[in-house]
Amino acid sequence: AQTVTQSQPEMSVQEAETVTLSCTYDTSESDYYLFWYKQPPSRQMILVIRQEAYKQQNATENRFSVNFQKAAKSFSLKISDSQLGDAAMYFCAYTGTASKLTFGTGTRLQVTL
Amino acid sequence: EPEVTQTPSHQVTQMGQEVILRCVPISNHLYFYWYRQILGQKVEFLVSFYNNEISEKSEIFDDQFSVERPDGSNFTLKIRSTKLEDSAMYFCASRGTSGGQETQYFGPGTRLLVL
Repeated sequence: AQTVTQSQPEMSVQEAETVTLSCTYDTSESDYYLFWYKQPPSRQMILVIRQEAYKQQNATENRFSVNFQKAAKSFSLKISDSQLGDAAMYFCAYTGTASKLTFGTGTRLQVTL
Repeated sequence: EPEVTQTPSHQVTQMGQEVILRCVPISNHLYFYWYRQILGQKVEFLVSFYNNEISEKSEIFDDQFSVERPDGSNFTLKIRSTKLEDSAMYFCASRGTSGGQETQYFGPGTRLLVL
């Protein structure tokens, strides 16, 4: 079974600075997708960024980028120029042939002035 | 932009009562999912649905739970006899293809409280 591990329960970053959230996963599949979802206090699940395993190029969405290391089964999220609105829970998630999403336990990101 | 909608946003019920949570997936999506999130915990998969039948379900999804697509737009989750431990946020998601990559889009959730 696939597992997703987020080892940082909480992180803090100053406004305008850069922060990296870690995620590792375990799978025997060769083709899969990885995602980062943001969950603000409203508890809505908002897609931040996605990565397809066969693509070597790291995905980028504006201030959000990933460092995808397939051999190491690592998928970290970098947030540049952090803003107050980035404060939220961030969940790393995996989907493979089974199509369901498997989530990590989340990292709570605080953004300070 | 199309979005997944869910009703109600909040539901309070007595233990033992039946509840039906409703979802309207994105119109051209074919795969539908229910997840739940107990407060302070991670999001857990309950069930996936494709072509009018369950394609996969988790251990959580026992005989108390059922899903249905009664018409061309709604996707429902029924809990027959609620327990205190069913209190959670329930998310519906639908899956399509965006930019060549399959992605699940989540509704805003239904917060269920069982008393």
